[in-house]
Amino acid sequence: DAGVIQSPRHEVTEMGQEVTLRCKPISGHNSLFWYRQTMMRGLELLIYFNNNVPIDDSGMPEDRFSAKMPNASFSTLKIQPSEPRDSAVYFCASRNTGAYGELFFGEGSRLTVL
Amino acid sequence: DQQVKQNSPSLSVQEGRISILNCDYTNSMFDYFLWYKKYPAEGPTFLISISSIKDKNEDGRFTVFLNKSAKHLSLHIVPSQPGDSAVYFCAASSTQTGANNLFFGTGTRLTVIP
Repeated sequence: DAGVIQSPRHEVTEMGQEVTLRCKPISGHNSLFWYRQTMMRGLELLIYFNNNVPIDDSGMPEDRFSAKMPNASFSTLKIQPSEPRDSAVYFCASRNTGAYGELFFGEGSRLTVL
Repeated sequence: DQQVKQNSPSLSVQEGRISILNCDYTNSMFDYFLWYKKYPAEGPTFLISISSIKDKNEDGRFTVFLNKSAKHLSLHIVPSQPGDSAVYFCAASSTQTGANNLFFGTGTRLTVIP
């Protein structure tokens, strides 16, 4: 079975540009999570969806960040406009709702904003 | 602010010896704890978990210990192997809130020296 698939794996962009990160969860999983990894804060939850509905977006740092899940097999995380402090690795993860704890992570998208 | 803390950013251990990774948490509502392992350029993968009704869970070379009164857990790896070299994340959740959100620590980089 394919795992969680993220794209792009690497993105280098200039400050002010729009960035879109994409995620395909594991088929059959109905919860999807976006995390950001930084040295200072480790893995921070940005937002998660249950059955395509955003449940908690309190981790989204600013209005510059938005996430959508138009269907069960696709989600996007958009940053507009991007800033150098957004540079981090962004992970998407999925699991079945109610399955205690264990998340299946994608390989991450490394974002560098110059 | 950080509800899950891993105060040691790195640890080096000789092959064959025991590795002990520590984690502290502040939220008394947490009742389910997990350890994830992360290799470079890969997403975190689930390693082992423990519920608050237990104080120990063992899986092969990996054992997690939970001390609820101290709000502390630890991961023991015995014997340590070079392939165990990775970043280890501690995570916690509250099943009373649906266990949907995992709070992660900042990670500990383990290096096992051959």
